[in-house]
Amino acid sequence: AQKITQTQPGMFVQEKEAVTLDCTYDTSDQSYGLFWYKQPSSGEMIFLIYQGSYDEQNATEGRYSLNFQKARKSANLVISASQLGDSAMYFCAFHHDSNYQLIWGAGTKLIIKP
Amino acid sequence: EPEVTQTPSHQVTQMGQEVILRCVPISNHLYFYWYRQILGQKVEFLVSFYNNEISEKSEIFDDQFSVERPDGSNFTLKIRSTKLEDSAMYFCASSEAPGQSYEQYFGPGTRLTVT
Repeated sequence: AQKITQTQPGMFVQEKEAVTLDCTYDTSDQSYGLFWYKQPSSGEMIFLIYQGSYDEQNATEGRYSLNFQKARKSANLVISASQLGDSAMYFCAFHHDSNYQLIWGAGTKLIIKP
Repeated sequence: EPEVTQTPSHQVTQMGQEVILRCVPISNHLYFYWYRQILGQKVEFLVSFYNNEISEKSEIFDDQFSVERPDGSNFTLKIRSTKLEDSAMYFCASSEAPGQSYEQYFGPGTRLTVT
């Protein structure tokens, strides 16, 4: 079974610094996708970024980029120029291309300090 | 911007009662999902639904649970005979056909409290 690992339960980062949130996954599939979602304290789940396993370029969305290292099976989220509003839980999730259920990591709680 | 909506936002029920959680997916989406998140824990997949039938379900999704798309817009999760351990946030999500976009759009969630 696929397993998603987020090794950082919590992180404190100074405002305006860049931050990298780690995610590794375990799969024998060749075709799959990786997601990052943000969950603020209000509870909603906000999509941030998606990377397909066959995408040659790392995905970027505004201040978010995904550092995809397929051989290492890692898909780290990089947030540039962090803001106070970035304080939230961040979840990495995986899906096969043969089905679409998301398998989730345990999350990282990010706190941005002013 | 289109969004997934869920009602109610919070439901309190007594153990053994039945609850129905409602979702309105984004109108042109074809895949629908239910996930749950027990407080402080990771998100867990429950079920996916496509073309008016269940396409996948997890081990959690036992006979206590059922899903239905009673009309062209609503997507419901029914939990029969609720247990204390069913207390969680339940998220509905929807997505377009694969090949168009894999992004799953989540609703705001229903917090279910079983007492």
